[in-house]
Amino acid sequence: QVTLRESGPALVKPTQTLTLTCTFSGFSLSTSGMSVGWVRQPPGKAPEWLARIDWDDGKYYSTSLRTRLTISKDTSKNQVVLTMTNMDPVDTATFYCARIIVARGYEFDFWGQGTLVTVSS
Amino acid sequence: QSALTQPASVSGSPGQSITISCTGTSTDVGFYNYVSWYQQHPGKVPKLMISDVTKRPSGVSSRFSGSKSGNTASLTISGLQAEDEADYYCSSFGAGSTLLFGGGTKLTVL
Repeated sequence: QVTLRESGPALVKPTQTLTLTCTFSGFSLSTSGMSVGWVRQPPGKAPEWLARIDWDDGKYYSTSLRTRLTISKDTSKNQVVLTMTNMDPVDTATFYCARIIVARGYEFDFWGQGTLVTVSS
Repeated sequence: QSALTQPASVSGSPGQSITISCTGTSTDVGFYNYVSWYQQHPGKVPKLMISDVTKRPSGVSSRFSGSKSGNTASLTISGLQAEDEADYYCSSFGAGSTLLFGGGTKLTVL
C-alpha cells in the first residue's frame, strides 16, 4: 500500500525559508524508475509543479522557481525534503508530494493529503 | 514556461457526454505522449484519471477517456453523473524534463 505524508510548518514569515518533508511507504526511492515530486496549489487555483527527484538522484525543477528550490532524498528514511527560500505571501498554498514512476510515464499516481502553508508576518 | 490552456468551465446534463480540451505547444503536449488528467473534488486531493494520453488506471470508470491531436489533448466523460462534478486538470511532460499543469476546468452537471 503506497502512502505519502507531508510535514512542515503551517505558517512562515515573509523572507523565511520553508522546509517540507515527504515521508512515504509502500515503495522505495532506490528502485529504478521511481520518483517523488512536489506540487503546490494556491487556494482556489490550479496546481503548479515544483520539483522532482528520481531514484538515481536526478533532480528537476520548475523553470520559474528553480533559483528558490532545493530537493533532496534520504532513501534509508523513505523521505524527500523540499526547501523553498525567500517565501512571500503569494506562495501561500497547499503543498503536496506525490509518487511518479518515471519508467512508466510522468503521472502522479499517489498523492499525500497535502499541507497548507500560509506566508504571513 | 506557461501553463497549459483549458476552458474555465464546461457543463452537461446527466447522461450526456462532455469533452475538456488542454492545449499546449510542440515542446510539451505535441511532442510527448505523457499527458495526464486529474479530478479534484472540493477540499480533496487530486485523483489520477488518465495517464499517457489514453491509459485509464485501475478503478477509474470506463466513462473517462483521453485522446490527443497535435498540441491539444482532450478528456471525454460519457454518461455524465452527478459525482463527476469537480475540477479537472491536465498535465504534460515538457521540455527540460519539466511538468506542466493546465489552469483547470470546472465541470458542472446540470
